[in-house]
Amino acid sequence: KNEVEQSPQNLTAQEGEFITINCSYSVGISALHWLQQHPGGGIVSLFMLSSGKKKHGRLIATINIQEKHSSLHITASHPRDSAVYICAVMYSGGGADGLTFGKGTHLIIQP
Amino acid sequence: DTGVSQNPRHKITKRGQNVTFRCDPISEHNRLYWYRQTLGQGPEFLTYFQNEAQLEKSRLLSDRFSAERPKGSFSTLEIQRTEQGDSAMYLCASSRYRGSSTDTQYFGPGTRLTVL
Repeated sequence: KNEVEQSPQNLTAQEGEFITINCSYSVGISALHWLQQHPGGGIVSLFMLSSGKKKHGRLIATINIQEKHSSLHITASHPRDSAVYICAVMYSGGGADGLTFGKGTHLIIQP
Repeated sequence: DTGVSQNPRHKITKRGQNVTFRCDPISEHNRLYWYRQTLGQGPEFLTYFQNEAQLEKSRLLSDRFSAERPKGSFSTLEIQRTEQGDSAMYLCASSRYRGSSTDTQYFGPGTRLTVL
């Protein structure tokens, strides 16, 4: 079964802390997405990557294709970063071209 | 704003009724996806279109569900004879596919369905 596992499921941290969320998957992929979902449902795409590392503001995403693992880092975390962060992959080699999602990491940044 | 839009944002219906949701993708995007998300879970893929062609359907999409994208622009998702288990957030996303690569998917705000 093609699965996407995220850890931790829940994370509470103090403002300013460095945050790491992890994602692992089971088979080869063509791309991996990191998404942010706020209460009320809206999903925003943060990154799409297939190799290496991407940075946008305080957010950094890395992927290791050989280890089938990706991380999302938030530097100098802020209460407005509080949201659910979802890892999603697009599997290569045929099958549905939609994304397969992890269950998400619920992040709370306390002031 | 030229993002992905979905209507209605909320729908409450009684069990057994039919409901239809609409998604308007970003105008230059040729791929459109439907996902379903239940409380506390990540979204699950339902189906996707490339232009007007429905290329893939998940096994989650029972015979009561039908999706169309008749002119390759907006899409509708209809659920017939709704059941309480259909209560979920229905998400639409669009992207631009250019042969060997697909751009990131942009999500709409979702339609929250409650079946009483």
